[in-house]
Amino acid sequence: AQSVTQLDSQVPVFEEAPVELRCNYSSSVSVYLFWYVQYPNQGLQLLLKYLSGSTLVESINGFEAEFNKSQTSFHLRKPSVHISDTAEYFCAVSGQTSGTYKYIFGTGTRLKVLA
Amino acid sequence: DTGVSQDPRHKITKRGQNVTFRCDPISEHNRLYWYRQTLGQGPEFLTYFQNEAQLEKSRLLSDRFSAERPKGSFSTLEIQRTEQGDSAMYLCASSSPNGGRYGYTFGSGTRLTVV
Repeated sequence: AQSVTQLDSQVPVFEEAPVELRCNYSSSVSVYLFWYVQYPNQGLQLLLKYLSGSTLVESINGFEAEFNKSQTSFHLRKPSVHISDTAEYFCAVSGQTSGTYKYIFGTGTRLKVLA
Repeated sequence: DTGVSQDPRHKITKRGQNVTFRCDPISEHNRLYWYRQTLGQGPEFLTYFQNEAQLEKSRLLSDRFSAERPKGSFSTLEIQRTEQGDSAMYLCASSSPNGGRYGYTFGSGTRLTVV
């Protein structure tokens, strides 16, 4: 079984400042890791994913996340945020041996970028 | 490719009534998932289809819930005798074979309010 913990329910940050959204997971098997973003009244959009290989993964809009196996973490970072980054961010895991590829999501972190 | 479509976007119903939601996945995707998201929580897995076969159901899916995917195309989720606790956003997602390890495409969801 897997579980995901997002310790920060809300993170306020000023525009152009850096941000880190924390995600820790637990699993008895190897996992795939994901970050999704949800804008108000919309579904979830895939931001980035870790499958294997390089532990640092990047998205096209400047976010990056680093897989740390020893700390079972997959924190999301952005060096300079914009107002448009205001949204809810969800970390998710899926067991690599799961043929279903169902995801276990964290409770989400609401990022609010202040002008 | 118009993405994953869900209908209706919003549904308000009285307690005890039956409701049905529809999901149209991306046409070439054979995997289809239903998740439920309550306020302040991450999405929770409900059920999974591969083509027309329902291969996994969460224990969250009580006897009042039923999902179908006739002909392996669109899917419906029916809730009978709705209760106030059923109020949530119901999200549908699809992926290609083995595509779940690369991430799903989510629809915009159906928000159900039971009064």
